[in-house]
Amino acid sequence: AQKVTQAQTEISVVEKEDVTLDCVYETRDTTYYLFWYKQPPSGELVFLIRRNSFDEQNEISGRYSWNFQKSTSSFNFTITASQVVDSAVYFCALSNRDDKIIFGKGTRLHILP
Amino acid sequence: ETGVTQTPRHLVMGMTNKKSLKCEQHLGHNAMYWYKQSAKKPLELMFVYNFKEQTENNSVPSRFSPECPNSSHLFLHLHTLQPEDSALYLCASSRLHGGGVRSYNEQFFGPGTRLTVL
Repeated sequence: AQKVTQAQTEISVVEKEDVTLDCVYETRDTTYYLFWYKQPPSGELVFLIRRNSFDEQNEISGRYSWNFQKSTSSFNFTITASQVVDSAVYFCALSNRDDKIIFGKGTRLHILP
Repeated sequence: ETGVTQTPRHLVMGMTNKKSLKCEQHLGHNAMYWYKQSAKKPLELMFVYNFKEQTENNSVPSRFSPECPNSSHLFLHLHTLQPEDSALYLCASSRLHGGGVRSYNEQFFGPGTRLTVL
């Protein structure tokens, strides 16, 4: 069975602090894909990143970085120097098929000015 | 703007009404999805259409009826809904490759329809 766990339901940090959102996944497949999505108050889910199971290289995009560790089945997301506009719900997701993605329950992130 | 549009953005309906939600994607994708997002619940996949054929129906009640006339359009027809069906309904699309190790399947979402059933 596949499962995505985002243990942090809600996080609040003060602007400019760094924050890490945790994601732990379960799958028996050797080939799978991991994703992060952002859902701002407007409601639309915004795709942030896709990572393939055969590529453990970490990725950095501006203030965002992702740490993929197969040994611990984790795909954590760090925002450096957080800004108020980063306030949103963030979803981690897993897929091993082309047409089905399993989403975690999300982490609501509050960036306080 | 992700290239996926949904109308209406907000809908209020009575339990005896019939209404339809519309989704259109301008990305050249070949798969489309309906999700339901209720307060304090995870995203629930409702239906998947792959090349216009329904490939997934996640035990959704028959009062929700999807229609996919072509790979760019997806509808969700609603009738005799219940108050607990009030939620944000999200449409998504993706490009499916022919399988294999390097298939890409990130989904792009529309803004959603906020549905309230009275």
